[in-house]
Amino acid sequence: EAQVTQNPRYLITVTGKKLTVTCSQNMNHEYMSWYRQDPGLGLRQIYYSMNVEVTDKGDVPEGYKVSRKEKRNFPLILESPSPNQTSLYFCASSLSNGLGQFFGPGTRLTVL
Amino acid sequence: GENVEQHPSTLSVQEGDSAVIKCTYSDSASNYFPWYKQELGKRPQLIIDIRSNVGEKKDQRIAVTLNKTAKHFSLHITETQPEDSAVYFCAASGGYNKLIFGAGTRLAVHP
Repeated sequence: EAQVTQNPRYLITVTGKKLTVTCSQNMNHEYMSWYRQDPGLGLRQIYYSMNVEVTDKGDVPEGYKVSRKEKRNFPLILESPSPNQTSLYFCASSLSNGLGQFFGPGTRLTVL
Repeated sequence: GENVEQHPSTLSVQEGDSAVIKCTYSDSASNYFPWYKQELGKRPQLIIDIRSNVGEKKDQRIAVTLNKTAKHFSLHITETQPEDSAVYFCAASGGYNKLIFGAGTRLAVHP
């Protein structure tokens, strides 16, 4: 079954404790992206990747890091999480460039 | 930077009526306009998209229109059904890689 998976689905953590949210897709997609969703703000793009070892900033990259060492995986790293990073995070992928992005199930992160 | 405004923020219709959601974008270089539907607690799902070389696209009860001169595009849902109730997001992209979303429209279809 074609899918995008994210782990964990729910996470409560404390300020400053480094965390990683994993994203994996099994569709051999070249393009992957991370978004955060906050009430009243829609979805905002954090980072995207056109292919292995190619990443670029979206609209709200501050406080986040990503890596793309393999085609199927695109982890999101918060080196020192802060409460304003409490949000619902979605990973997405598409065949090439950003057309027709398929979203993962989401990760709800709470930073205390 | 690019900005996408979406209206209305909430929309309530009777089953069988039509629903229209409108978006305007600021970057004239935008050339890709997808629409996503998000049901409560679920992921956004692509329902229709249009590229800038096309003025209108239809898929059963859903249609999208694009006016490049005015920099706005709209989602039209005809013969609405209760299962159409969800939050709908428009988005715009210049070069396809960066996607800017509107704030969303909560559509409620009443039986």
